[in-house]
Amino acid sequence: AQKVTQAQTEISVVEKEDVTLDCVYETRDTTYYLFWYKQPPSGELVFLIRRNSFDEQNEISGRYSWNFQKSTSSFNFTITASQVVDSAVYFCALRGRMDSNYQLIWGAGTKLIIKP
Amino acid sequence: GAGVSQSPRYKVTKRGQDVALRCDPISGHVSLYWYRQALGQGPEFLTYFNYEAQQDKSGLPNDRFSAERPEGSISTLTIQRTEQRDSAMYRCASSLTPPGTGGTDTQYFGPGTRLTVL
Repeated sequence: AQKVTQAQTEISVVEKEDVTLDCVYETRDTTYYLFWYKQPPSGELVFLIRRNSFDEQNEISGRYSWNFQKSTSSFNFTITASQVVDSAVYFCALRGRMDSNYQLIWGAGTKLIIKP
Repeated sequence: GAGVSQSPRYKVTKRGQDVALRCDPISGHVSLYWYRQALGQGPEFLTYFNYEAQQDKSGLPNDRFSAERPEGSISTLTIQRTEQRDSAMYRCASSLTPPGTGGTDTQYFGPGTRLTVL
C-alpha cells in the first residue's frame, strides 16, 4: 500500500526563521513521483515541485529547498528566512506506478504559521 | 484560460437537493480530475477523465455521485439527493497529458467549490 505521512500537524515560527516540513512516504513501486502543494488561506492548491524517484538531486528555488532521500523515504521541504506570506497548509503527495490508476496519495498536510 | 476555474465557488443547499459543480480546465489539458477535501485533510480522489472518456471512477463514494466531460473540456460533477455528509470542498484539477506520461502530467488545481448541505 502507498502512504504519505506528514507528522507535523502545525508549526509556528517567527518571521525570518528557517523551517522544515517533514514528509515520509511508503511505496512498493520502484518508480514513483513526489509532490509538494501549498494551500494558502484563500483555499486554492498551488503546485510547488515534482520529483521523480530516480532523481535524488536536491532542489533549491529561491527561499525554498527540497531534500529527497530514498534511504529514509523522505522528501522534506525547507523554507529559509520565512515570511508571513508563507503561512499556509502544505501538502506532500505521492504517485506510484504499480497502481494503474496513477492516483495521487496525499498526506494530511502541515499548517505553517509565520508570525510577524 | 490562465488556470483551472470552478463554479460556483460556494454552494449551500438543502438535504435531498441535487447539485451540479462545474470545472473548466486549463485550455488544451487532456486530463481532468475531481477530488473531495474534508477540513484538515488532504484531497481524496473521486474520478478522472482523459478527453471525454472517464478512465477511473473508483473514488466516487456511491451512485449518487456522477461526472461527465462530454466534449473533452468542461466537466460537471453531479451529486443527487445530497446528504449532510457530502459537505466538503470539491476540487478539480487538470494536466496537460494523462497520468504516467512524464513531467507534463502534473496536476494543477482550481480554487474549489465549497459545498454545504443543510
